[in-house]
Amino acid sequence: SQTIHQWPATLVQPVGSPLSLECTVEGTSNPNLYWYRQAAGRGLQLLFYSVGIGQISSEVPQNLSASRPQDRQFILSSKKLLLSDSGFYLCAWRYGGASTDTQYFGPGTRLTVL
Amino acid sequence: GNSVTQMEGPVTLSEEAFLTINCTYTATGYPSLFWYVQYPGEGLQLLLKATKADDKGSNKGFEATYRKETTSFHLEKGSVQVSDSAVYFCALSDRGTSYDKVIFGPGTSLSVIP
Repeated sequence: SQTIHQWPATLVQPVGSPLSLECTVEGTSNPNLYWYRQAAGRGLQLLFYSVGIGQISSEVPQNLSASRPQDRQFILSSKKLLLSDSGFYLCAWRYGGASTDTQYFGPGTRLTVL
Repeated sequence: GNSVTQMEGPVTLSEEAFLTINCTYTATGYPSLFWYVQYPGEGLQLLLKATKADDKGSNKGFEATYRKETTSFHLEKGSVQVSDSAVYFCALSDRGTSYDKVIFGPGTSLSVIP
């Protein structure tokens, strides 16, 4: 069966510090991968998606970036965090190709920028 | 473009009450439709889905029917429990793109009181 991991679960960082959030998927190969952000009491905002190693598409220009160094690893980064980067970050995966369109979500990372 | 509209709530119900959360969508093609649930502090879980008109998705006592004529996918449950307290997201999958972007509604917060 497939599982998706995210870490850390919670993170408190000062403004201006760097960020690295990691997401890994097990039990499948060549998945589509996604990063979402959920601000407090708000809906989901798609930040980045990837259909393969080294292939990253950005939905929202901002001070965040994403990388996919391995097939089942997706990393969200920032060089300098802003207060507005606080939120709940969710990673999701989907089977590659057009066989199914269901996305499966990880447990999330709660980021607080002070 | 494609979009999802749902009642934002919060919705407060007594245990064993009937639940309806309205969801309507706008899409140019024939999307798949989803309901996801998010329990406090957790990621999103797929609750049910429907892939074509008149399909009924069901799970854990929840049901939703894909109504193409009214572009709706309302979520219903006959008797809610305290454990159903969560945020519910209606979503659609924009098939026809290589990454199948999922568009989420704003979410509806449900509180069930004993």
